[in-house]
Amino acid sequence: KQEVTQIPAALSVPEGENLVLNCSFTDSAIYNLQWFRQDPGKGLTSLLLIQSSQREQTSGRLNASLDKSSGRSTLYIAASQPGDSATYLCAAPEETSGSRLTFGEGTQLTVNP
Amino acid sequence: DTGVSQDPRHKITKRGQNVTFRCDPISEHNRLYWYRQTLGQGPEFLTYFQNEAQLEKSRLLSDRFSAERPKGSFSTLEIQRTEQGDSAMYLCASSLMGIPEKLFFGSGTQLSVL
Repeated sequence: KQEVTQIPAALSVPEGENLVLNCSFTDSAIYNLQWFRQDPGKGLTSLLLIQSSQREQTSGRLNASLDKSSGRSTLYIAASQPGDSATYLCAAPEETSGSRLTFGEGTQLTVNP
Repeated sequence: DTGVSQDPRHKITKRGQNVTFRCDPISEHNRLYWYRQTLGQGPEFLTYFQNEAQLEKSRLLSDRFSAERPKGSFSTLEIQRTEQGDSAMYLCASSLMGIPEKLFFGSGTQLSVL
């Protein structure tokens, strides 16, 4: 059974700082991993999807990496802004059901102006 | 097309009542998922459909829960005899089957059982 862990659970940084969010997963036989953003009381917005054949995926100030051998992914946010404040979730597919995603508990990010 | 829409956004009900939620996926998407999320936790998988066929159900989906997608378009999730432990955000997502499969989520239905 896939298990996903995110560290840290919460993070507070001043505006402009570069930061890294960590995600680890137990079943490394995945073919992709997704990062999502969730604002309070809202649904999830897909940020990046990294396929197993890729090591990195970039979108604007966001960069996600995937290391299947170590069971880890990181989300790097450059030059953080107050608008980046949200909960960031990573999700990996279950081994027996590639359609079923297992989510971590998320990292709650606060960027202070 | 404005994305995945869910209705209602909020539902308050008394214990023992039945509730039904609706999800309208992105029109060309053939897969539809239901997840449940409690405060401070990540979403947990409940069930998913490919077209009108329900292909997987989690053990979280007790006998009181039933989901349908009758024509392969919108879906409904019904909870019978609600319990306080059912209070959660119910999220719907849709996707186009393929590799990679990217999920698009709705804004969710927040259920409060009093």
